[in-house]
Amino acid sequence: GAVVSQHPSWVICKSGTSVKIECRSLDFQATTMFWYRQFPKQSLMLMATSNEGSKATYEQGVEKDKFLINHASLTLSTLTVTSAHPEDSSFYICSASTGLDNSPLHFGNGTRLTVT
Amino acid sequence: GEDVEQSLFLSVREGDSSVINCTYTDSSSTYLYWYKQEPGAGLQLLTYIFSNMDMKQDQRLTVLLNKKDKHLSLRIADTQTGDSAIYFCAESIGYNQGGKLIFGQGTELSVKP
Repeated sequence: GAVVSQHPSWVICKSGTSVKIECRSLDFQATTMFWYRQFPKQSLMLMATSNEGSKATYEQGVEKDKFLINHASLTLSTLTVTSAHPEDSSFYICSASTGLDNSPLHFGNGTRLTVT
Repeated sequence: GEDVEQSLFLSVREGDSSVINCTYTDSSSTYLYWYKQEPGAGLQLLTYIFSNMDMKQDQRLTVLLNKKDKHLSLRIADTQTGDSAIYFCAESIGYNQGGKLIFGQGTELSVKP
């Protein structure tokens, strides 16, 4: 079945630094990727929709200059958390879609970000 | 706007059936999903149902959809300790399965031996 790989699985960084998270579709081409954020014991909140070759669409309340998304190829989308702060600590999960009508979303295993 | 509601906790004994319930608000949803999340892990797609279906069965899993009441349920037969996890229902917002998903809060299923 379709596999989505996320890297790194966990990262610890200092306040003020930037962190890049990668999301790859391993055996299919993903025209659209979605980035979600999950706080402990809470649901997933959609942050942005990433379309290959175009600018990402951000959900209301998500700072696009803080969370930079790049979807340069059909198999890779990256999320960069810029100038990270402790409140950015969270679990970030990506999902990918082929865009076909009968293709469900597949999720990566997530990245645990801790900002100290 | 779109909203998905789930009860937060469910506790069952091993071997019993588990029923996790979900309600949603967007009547235009085309697909509804059940995902499983184990501690520290991503989401595993368990099953999904198209909105013009009433029921879907897949081994131990049975999904029931009442579109009139906007109610979705997941029944797990012969629940095992390995089924302990958080279960999320989600509705798709968009014309196909590639659209964005709105998730419920998740139901934590605890299976006691």
